[in-house]
Formats: sequence, structure tokens, C-alpha cells
Amino acid sequence: EAQVTQNPRYLITVTGKKLTVTCSQNMNHEYMSWYRQDPGLGLRQIYYSMNVEVTDKGDVPEGYKVSRKEKRNFPLILESPSPNQTSLYFCASSSRLVNYGYTFGSGTRLTVV
Amino acid sequence: AQRVTQPEKLLSVFKGAPVELKCNYSYSGSPELFWYVQYSRQRLQLLLRHISRESIKGFTADLNKGETSFHLKKPFAQEEDSAMYYCALSLSNAGGTSYGKLTFGQGTILTVHP
Repeated sequence: EAQVTQNPRYLITVTGKKLTVTCSQNMNHEYMSWYRQDPGLGLRQIYYSMNVEVTDKGDVPEGYKVSRKEKRNFPLILESPSPNQTSLYFCASSSRLVNYGYTFGSGTRLTVV
Repeated sequence: AQRVTQPEKLLSVFKGAPVELKCNYSYSGSPELFWYVQYSRQRLQLLLRHISRESIKGFTADLNKGETSFHLKKPFAQEEDSAMYYCALSLSNAGGTSYGKLTFGQGTILTVHP
């Protein structure tokens, strides 16, 4: 089944403790992206990648890092999480043809205390 | 920079009534527009793409470049249509290759009452 898989689904952590949220897709998509979803703010793009080793900042990149060493994986790294990064995070992937739209993962609910 | 505005945070209608979810965008070029839907506790799913002019689950959306709008419509709402709806905009080159950035509106929560 074609899908985007994120892990973990739920995560509670403490301020300052580094964490990684993994994302993997099995559709051979060139593009991958991370979003955060907050009430009243909709989805905001954190980082996106157009190919292996090619990444770019989205609208809210501060406090996040990404890497794209393999085509199928696009992990999101929080080096020093803070409470304002408590959010619902979505990974998504797409072919390079814009018409097909993005396929989204199930989301990771992160709480930073 | 591109921007997507969904003016209604909440929209309530009764079953069988027509529904229109508004979406306006700002971009001087030719964007690609999408509607995504998120049912309760589920992932976002692509509902419509303007380029394909399709009708999914009875929903349609027409791109109006003069008004820079891409409103989502359905003539007869159903209870199962209750969800969060997002309008989104993407940019591409002349060959249809995406630049990778997808911008979402704030979303509209649609509630269809029995």
C-alpha cells in the first residue's frame, strides 16, 4: 500500500531533550515536507526537500532540522525542544509534478513539558 | 509571497443544504490550487485539484483568476461531510514541475447537522 509512515504517533518529552521524528514513504516520491498544525493557524510548512541532499526552509523553520540522505526518508530533528513546539506534526510526500498533490502521514502529536 | 485565506473558521449547515467553503489566494502568477480534507482524527487527504476539474464526493471547485478565488461547493451536504477543509496553493514552472512549497489556508471546520 502506498503510504507515508511517521513514528512515533505520540510523544511527550521534556524541554531541551533532543528528539527525532521519522518519516518514510514508499512511493519513490522526489518531494518530501514537514508541517505543523496548530489551532487557528492551519498547517505551516517547516522544511521541504526536493531531492536527496536538497532541502529548503519553509515558513517556520526555527528550532528544527532535517536531513535527506535517502530518497524514502526525511526525519525531523528537534535539537532542543521547547514548549512552543508542542504541536501536531505531519510529514508529506509528492512527485515533482505539482498536479498530483501531497500524500500525508498520520501525524505525530508532540508535547514538550 | 503566496498567501491563502479561508475567511470562515466555522461553517454549519443542515443536511441537504448547499454548502460553499470560501478560499482566496494572493499570487501574481499561475498557481495550482487544491482542497484537502481532514476527517476527525485522520490524516489529510487530497480532495480536489483545480487542474483536473473533477468532482469528488459531490464537491466541485472552480478557479476564478479574476477574483483570485477557489471556492469549494456542494449542492446537497451530507452528515459525513463534516470535517476540516483546507485550501492550498502550490507553485510550479511552465512544465508543471513543483517548486516544492505548498501553502495552506487556516482551514474551515464544516459541521453538517441532521
